[in-house]
Amino acid sequence: AQSVTQLDSHVSVSEGTPVLLRCNYSSSYSPSLFWYVQHPNKGLQLLLKYTSAATLVKGINGFEAEFKKSETSFHLTKPSAHMSDAAEYFCVVTPTSGGYNKLIFGAGTRLAVHP
Amino acid sequence: EADIYQTPRYLVIGTGKKITLECSQTMGHDKMYWYQQDPGMELHLIHYSYGVNSTEKGDLSSESTVSRIRTEHFPLTLESARPSHTSQYLCASTGTGPSWEQFFGPGTRLTVL
Repeated sequence: AQSVTQLDSHVSVSEGTPVLLRCNYSSSYSPSLFWYVQHPNKGLQLLLKYTSAATLVKGINGFEAEFKKSETSFHLTKPSAHMSDAAEYFCVVTPTSGGYNKLIFGAGTRLAVHP
Repeated sequence: EADIYQTPRYLVIGTGKKITLECSQTMGHDKMYWYQQDPGMELHLIHYSYGVNSTEKGDLSSESTVSRIRTEHFPLTLESARPSHTSQYLCASTGTGPSWEQFFGPGTRLTVL
């Protein structure tokens, strides 16, 4: 069975400092992994996705994530936080086999960015 | 422009009322989904559809029902709303092919008094 654990429910950083949002997964299959962002009162927007190609994935707004199979991790990083990055971030796993695109969501990490 | 729409965005309603949350997508996607999300919590799948006339219940039990008469339309109905139904409801869709990306609507925030 697939599952995903976001290790921090809240992360607070200063503007201009690096961001690290941690995610570990478990999967019986070769997984696809995603990071979604949700701004207040908005739907979810895809930041980036890993689908068994390059292990370092670059996304929108300067975010990137590295798939590490040995550590079963898919941490999200950004070199320099911006105030507009404040939002809820969800790590998501899905099996690459099977005909049903089922997403398993982590509990989310709320990122706060202060001046 | 290809997109996914949800109406209403906000709904406050009294107990016992029947409500329908609308979801439409213009991307021609076969698969559509409804998620329920409580404030500050993860999303839980409550319904999904592979295509027209196909509907299945998701992982989280829900008293709501759905229908899929047209490819682009996937409404969710609560026959008798209760305060326990207060939540945010997110609709999503995905097409065929190797990409697993789900496109999400803006959500409907439902409050039942």
